[in-house]
Amino acid sequence: GAGVSQSPRYKVAKRGQDVALRCDPISGHVSLFWYQQALGQGPEFLTYFQNEAQLDKSGLPSDRFFAERPEGSVSTLKIQRTQQEDSAVYLCASSLLLGVRKNYEQYFGPGTRLTVT
Amino acid sequence: GENVEQHPSTLSVQEGDSAVIKCTYSDSASNYFPWYKQELGKRPQLIIDIRSNVGEKKDQRIAVTLNKTAKHFSLHITETQPEDSAVYFCAALNTGTASKLTFGTGTRLQVTL
Repeated sequence: GAGVSQSPRYKVAKRGQDVALRCDPISGHVSLFWYQQALGQGPEFLTYFQNEAQLDKSGLPSDRFFAERPEGSVSTLKIQRTQQEDSAVYLCASSLLLGVRKNYEQYFGPGTRLTVT
Repeated sequence: GENVEQHPSTLSVQEGDSAVIKCTYSDSASNYFPWYKQELGKRPQLIIDIRSNVGEKKDQRIAVTLNKTAKHFSLHITETQPEDSAVYFCAALNTGTASKLTFGTGTRLQVTL
């Protein structure tokens, strides 16, 4: 079956522009995560959804970052008024419901590389 | 919150040798520890994971060991091959209260011929 997909794969934005990044999780995966990966670093947690409910958004760096998953499948990460420090790869991951059948594996998408100029 | 440290940051081994990457974590409640392999420009791929109720897990040439008392876990790759060259990340999760993986900073492994 298809894995996690993300679009666009690459995005160049001018400082101050708004961007929207899309994630299509694995079919049937209830949990969805967004991570930010700066160059040469490990992924850092941004936010987590269980179905359409955003259960944890503690990693969002500012109120310019907003995520939604209105129907419990596709998710969008929106960044308003982009800044240069927002340049990074944004990774989406999905998982079967955490804890169900003790399955904690998170499967990652290919990421969107955002460059803010 | 959880903090995961990973060493070394780079590791070069000759083909056929073994490679060991070590991680320490700070939150004693963490109980799930996956390892991801990330090739340049690609997605992180889960290669092995271990839960806190076991001390060691092996899958062909890769193995992971966990020392809960010392709060550290290690990835062991034997008989390394050029295709093992990648960046490896360890991570930790408290399955009881948290949803997010906390990652280490990564180890760039280079397997030379």
